[in-house]
Amino acid sequence: KAGVTQTPRYLIKTRGQQVTLSCSPISGHRSVSWYQQTPGQGLQFLFEYFSETQRNKGNFPGRFSGRQFSNSRSEMNVSTLELGDSALYLCASSLGVQSPLHFGNGTRLTVT
Amino acid sequence: ILNVEQSPQSLHVQEGDSTNFTCSFPSSNFYALHWYRWETAKSPEALFVMTLNGDEKKKGRISATLNTKEGYSYLYIKGSQPEDSATYLCAFYSYNNAGNMLTFGGGTRLMVKP
Repeated sequence: KAGVTQTPRYLIKTRGQQVTLSCSPISGHRSVSWYQQTPGQGLQFLFEYFSETQRNKGNFPGRFSGRQFSNSRSEMNVSTLELGDSALYLCASSLGVQSPLHFGNGTRLTVT
Repeated sequence: ILNVEQSPQSLHVQEGDSTNFTCSFPSSNFYALHWYRWETAKSPEALFVMTLNGDEKKKGRISATLNTKEGYSYLYIKGSQPEDSATYLCAFYSYNNAGNMLTFGGGTRLMVKP
C-alpha cells in the first residue's frame, strides 16, 4: 500500500512569490491535514480537509490556504511569501479522528 | 490556543535504562491522545491512539497510559536501545464548535547512548 506522497521535497522561493504544495493521501483515507514545523517550534496545525471540506483551520494568516479534490488529494498554497514561512511542511492522512495520522516525508520550503 | 506540554524537553540515557516522559493537556473537550515517534530524516510514525480514561497501550518495549480527568499521559520505554533515539511527540485531539483539532506538544528528544 503506497504511503502519503508529498511533492516537491524541496523548494526555494523568493519573498513575495507564492507556492503550491501537493499531498496524495493513502488510498481510502479521506482526511488530510497539514502542519508546519519551524526551528524551535513544534508541529503547528494548519488545516484539515475531509471529503473536500475544510473542517478546521489553525491560527495562520489568510495567506495560507488549501483545498482537497474529489480523489482526496490536497494542495496547500501560500501567497506573498515571507522569510518566516521557511519551514518543513508536513501532510498527513487518516481514516478519521480516532485513527492515527500517516505522514508524508514533507516539503522543505526555503524563502530567500 | 490549547496548551499541550511535554516534559522533559530532552533526555540522555544509557542503553538498557528505562525511561518515561509526560504529556500534559487540557482536561476538557477531550477526544483522543496520540503518541508519535519522529526519527531524524524520517516522517513521524504513530505509536498509539488513546481515547478512554485509564487506557493503557503497549507496543514491544514501549507503553503508554492515559488520565483524561487530570489531563496527562505517560510514555514508558523499557530497556532503551540506541534505535529508540528520536523525538517523541504527543498530540491532543479536542473538539470545538468548528470541529476537531489536533494540537501537538513540543516533543521530548530522547538520545540513547550505547
